[in-house]
Amino acid sequence: QSVLTQPPSVSAAPGQKVTISCSGSTSNIGNNYISWYRQLPGTVPKLLIYENSKRPSGIPDRFSGSKSGTSATLDITGLQTGDEADYYCGTWDSSLIAGVFGGGTKLTVL
Amino acid sequence: QVQLQESGPGLVKPAETLSLTCTVSDYPNIRGSWWGWIRQPPGKGLEWIGSIDNSGSTYYNPSLRSRVTISVDTSKKQFSLNLSSVTAADTAVYFCARHLMFRGVTYFDSWGQGTLVTVSS
Repeated sequence: QSVLTQPPSVSAAPGQKVTISCSGSTSNIGNNYISWYRQLPGTVPKLLIYENSKRPSGIPDRFSGSKSGTSATLDITGLQTGDEADYYCGTWDSSLIAGVFGGGTKLTVL
Repeated sequence: QVQLQESGPGLVKPAETLSLTCTVSDYPNIRGSWWGWIRQPPGKGLEWIGSIDNSGSTYYNPSLRSRVTISVDTSKKQFSLNLSSVTAADTAVYFCARHLMFRGVTYFDSWGQGTLVTVSS
């Protein structure tokens, strides 16, 4: 059971928008910044979003993140078939004094 | 761009100790950052194992704390993971990563390619 809760799967059509949620508590999301990672099949996780909403160099603005209270969301617009992957949220838990990840969400582009 | 590469045995016997090393390159001072280990069992999600900060202090997943040790060798630009008393449940791809951590911010911006470690007799 992951400390952060994500939906196991989401799906949407090409060109559409999808939102992936990540729910936690005051000890993790509520008081720390969230990051998001994308893992294409058989590859290494890649940082998509850090500090809730910042994108590393090279990440297109189709990817955006936000946080409110103890929840965070990753929005992906203009979906492409190449976006099919597993997406993970992550943060620090100040009570556990530990890094934590969500269980991951599998995105299917129909 | 910092580069990381994991190395170590791909097969470990039950009850023995899993030992992996991560070699850091294209980075001036390994003491200038936090470094972490993350694993992913086959078909499952990411699990943070632990991290070592720039002063050498360590932080471990509470569920693994009694079995994990992370250390750094600055002269070799390497950091290491030891996981003792392994079982089949420790079979996973193990990743090393640079861990950015400051003032409530935490993220892993550079990852190694990962190495599959299988626990089996």
